[in-house]
Amino acid sequence: ILNVEQSPQSLHVQEGDSTNFTCSFPSSNFYALHWYRWETAKSPEALFVMTLNGDEKKKGRISATLNTKEGYSYLYIKGSQPEDSATYLCAWDRYSGYALNFGKGTSLLVTP
Amino acid sequence: NAGVMQNPRHLVRRRGQEARLRCSPMKGHSHVYWYRQLPEEGLKFMVYLQKENIIDESGMPKERFSAEFPKEGPSILRIQQVVRGDSAAYFCASSESDRVYEQYFGPGTRLTVT
Repeated sequence: ILNVEQSPQSLHVQEGDSTNFTCSFPSSNFYALHWYRWETAKSPEALFVMTLNGDEKKKGRISATLNTKEGYSYLYIKGSQPEDSATYLCAWDRYSGYALNFGKGTSLLVTP
Repeated sequence: NAGVMQNPRHLVRRRGQEARLRCSPMKGHSHVYWYRQLPEEGLKFMVYLQKENIIDESGMPKERFSAEFPKEGPSILRIQQVVRGDSAAYFCASSESDRVYEQYFGPGTRLTVT
């Protein structure tokens, strides 16, 4: 079973709060881990692709870390803004195949 | 540089009809992926194609579904004899190369089978 689990399922924070989400994936046969941001009525937008254990990526106020040995990745948002409101998806890419296996996402709502 | 284009955005078909979904990748991208999102479910991989070749169709139902990416023109996902359970949002994504490159998603086609 190629389960990718994301938690929490949803999150509601105030503007200015920092927050983080978790993505858990099988640690065996790992190839890459992708993070996407998906705003309502828009297309999923690629945030990061990470391949190496210990990888850290940053884009503005958003950053991500990767632990392939224990099978998890964290996404951090510093100083959340209302425009950060979206669903954040992670997807696990295993070595033996081309399919991205997506989690169900964490839905973030940031209110002023 | 236009993004990934999908059409139609909405498609209504009666049970038994055929549905054709089109995807034009970003300029310079020769790798196309199709995903399906059923109600209350996450995105599920269906098929991965390069120009004129199906590379991985492990996520595509064996019956009634087919995909192609011809040398010229868009990629097509074809569903024959649609049933109510095919109602879903179908997304295509393209990438410059395979594996660790980012996939760029289109806006999706929402198929409703009545």
